[in-house]
Amino acid sequence: DTGVSQNPRHKITKRGQNVTFRCDPISEHNRLYWYRQTLGQGPEFLTYFQNEAQLEKSRLLSDRFSAERPKGSFSTLEIQRTEQGDSAMYLCASSLGQGRANSPLHFGNGTRLTVT
Amino acid sequence: GESVGLHLPTLSVQEGDNSIINCAYSNSASDYFIWYKQESGKGPQFIIDIRSNMDKRQGQRVTVLLNKTVKHLSLQIAATQPGDSAVYFCAEISSDSGTYKYIFGTGTRLKVLA
Repeated sequence: DTGVSQNPRHKITKRGQNVTFRCDPISEHNRLYWYRQTLGQGPEFLTYFQNEAQLEKSRLLSDRFSAERPKGSFSTLEIQRTEQGDSAMYLCASSLGQGRANSPLHFGNGTRLTVT
Repeated sequence: GESVGLHLPTLSVQEGDNSIINCAYSNSASDYFIWYKQESGKGPQFIIDIRSNMDKRQGQRVTVLLNKTVKHLSLQIAATQPGDSAVYFCAEISSDSGTYKYIFGTGTRLKVLA
């Protein structure tokens, strides 16, 4: 399967702990996105990378959240000092884009975070 | 798996009937639109897209209609099947806004009745 891969699929952690999620995009895709989704809602944008550069961050992304894409391939999303409100599905997506042209996002199956 | 969208608007259709799912988008500058299908416990899956220079686009059993005047997007599914049961989201983006984020609607749950 050459789709977007996310690990782990599920993560249960205690409030105050740090967690890190990994995303492996489709190999030829230069654009990578992180979204968050809660029950009954559509995905909410968190951040975007073009190759290794983080070009946009949502105001939803507090200073406890950090994302990296060190070599323009896989990406990690870290949440420090987790809070119960961080419980959500974290979705990664990738796409192939040139300039201003947009193309479909291809999503992974997400990491379900539960903060107890 | 966990359910997606427990409190979403729901459309119930009989198997074999046609389904129409609607979406009102927010940004008049949006010029690219995508429909996604999301099954329980999975990420959104691409169905079909349309650019603003088109009013209609057809795929296999699906048609997307775009009305820019009223900022309305619809997804038509022909001969709805049980496997079509899922939550459907529309997404929009503007190429000239300086932002790269795709904005998603709140979703509609489609239930196919046997």
